[in-house]
Amino acid sequence: KAGVTQTPRYLIKTRGQQVTLSCSPISGHRSVSWYQQTPGQGLQFLFEYFSETQRNKGNFPGRFSGRQFSNSRSEMNVSTLELGDSALYLCASSLAGQVSTTQYFGPGTRLTVL
Amino acid sequence: DAKTTQPNSMESNEEEPVHLPCNHSTISGTDYIHWYRQLPSQGPEYVIHGLTSNVNNRMASLAIAEDRKSSTLILHRATLRDAAVYYCVHLYSGGGADGLTFGKGTHLIIQP
Repeated sequence: KAGVTQTPRYLIKTRGQQVTLSCSPISGHRSVSWYQQTPGQGLQFLFEYFSETQRNKGNFPGRFSGRQFSNSRSEMNVSTLELGDSALYLCASSLAGQVSTTQYFGPGTRLTVL
Repeated sequence: DAKTTQPNSMESNEEEPVHLPCNHSTISGTDYIHWYRQLPSQGPEYVIHGLTSNVNNRMASLAIAEDRKSSTLILHRATLRDAAVYYCVHLYSGGGADGLTFGKGTHLIIQP
């Protein structure tokens, strides 16, 4: 089975722009979660989607949003980019998002905001 | 908020056992403990998880304290490929959705 794929792998944007990142989960996985990783804050949970519905959300401002399509692929969008949004954005998929379900992470998208 | 506490770094020698501790004092009765590790330039990968009993798999063992406020990941025979950041993750179950709360992790250094 192919793993979780994320596109693009690298992205450079300027302050004030918006960006859309894409994640394709493992075939058959219906839950997709997004995380932000920075050296200072570590790995922080952004939100989780299951069957096209956002089920849980971390403590991030409304500039961070996401969606999930009927084929379970997911996108996250960050509007009005700030320098502090520079980070590695990771997507993870799991079968059904139950408490004991293993999450499979993609390689991440490295976003640099100038 | 669910919180985990791990040492910032640990060092071990190749082919020796490694015990990585984690405190999760705020854990509740239905919350799972997961361990992930992240190799350089990669996303985290699953290592092991448990609820109450000790668990073993091909990668590692997980020892969970009786009060569930701490756990220890055991690598029985470390190799250079085990050098990574290890995250103890308190998987909280709220509202039917499961977010992973990652701590800062333990940077494991393996000396040849």
